[in-house]
Amino acid sequence: QKEVEQDPGPLSVPEGAIVSLNCTYSNSAFQYFMWYRQYSRKGPELLMYTYSSGNKEDGRFTAQVDKSSKYISLFIRDSQPSDSATYLCAMSAGGAQKLVFGQGTRLTINP
Amino acid sequence: GAGVSQTPSNKVTEKGKYVELRCDPISGHTALYWYRQSLGQGPEFLIYFQGTGAADDSGLPNDRFFAVRPEGSVSTLKIQRTERGDSAVYLCASAGAGGDTQYFGPGTRLTVL
Repeated sequence: QKEVEQDPGPLSVPEGAIVSLNCTYSNSAFQYFMWYRQYSRKGPELLMYTYSSGNKEDGRFTAQVDKSSKYISLFIRDSQPSDSATYLCAMSAGGAQKLVFGQGTRLTINP
Repeated sequence: GAGVSQTPSNKVTEKGKYVELRCDPISGHTALYWYRQSLGQGPEFLIYFQGTGAADDSGLPNDRFFAVRPEGSVSTLKIQRTERGDSAVYLCASAGAGGDTQYFGPGTRLTVL
C-alpha cells in the first residue's frame, strides 16, 4: 500500500462546477500538506499549503486537512477551462523533509 | 525573479551511456531536491541537499545514481550505465531556509533507447 493514495481519474466536469479532489494517507507523522497543479510537460506549481489540520482558502481554492481521518481535500469553485491540469497532493513530516506525492488526478473542465 | 531552471529540457541517450542533468535553484535557496516522475505517476523523491551536503539520499534507486552540489548552488544528477527503466522526467525543486515550500523546475525528460 502506498503512503499516499489519490484517485487518478480522469475527472471531467462542466465549466462553473465545484470540483472536489482528495487524498488519503497512512503516515501519521505527516504535518505539512500541499496541493500542486501540473500542466502537461511542465513542472508542478504550488497551489495551496497547509500546516496540520484545518481549512485554508485562497480565491476559488479551499484546502482542508482532517488529520484524525488522514484525509485531505481540495475544492475548486467556479471551475474554469484553464483549471484543466493534473492535481497532485503532497505531504511531508517536517518543514525541510522530502515530499511524498499522490499519483495525481487528471482534471478536465469542459467549456 | 528567476525560478528553478533545469538543463537540458530533453535528453535522449542509448542504454549503457552516462548522463548528467543540471539544476539551477532559485538564488539564495539552501535546500535542493531531486525527484523522478514516471508517466502517469506523482514525483518520487531521490535526494535532498542542505547546502553542499546530501541530507537525505534514501530515494536513490541504486549506485548508478549520484548527485553533487559542490558550491551549495547548482546541482548535477549523474546516472551511469543508463537503463530503459531510467526513462522519466527528472524534477528539481528548491526551498528557502525555512524549507517548508518547495518550488519546482520544468524538469528534464530523459529517454533511454
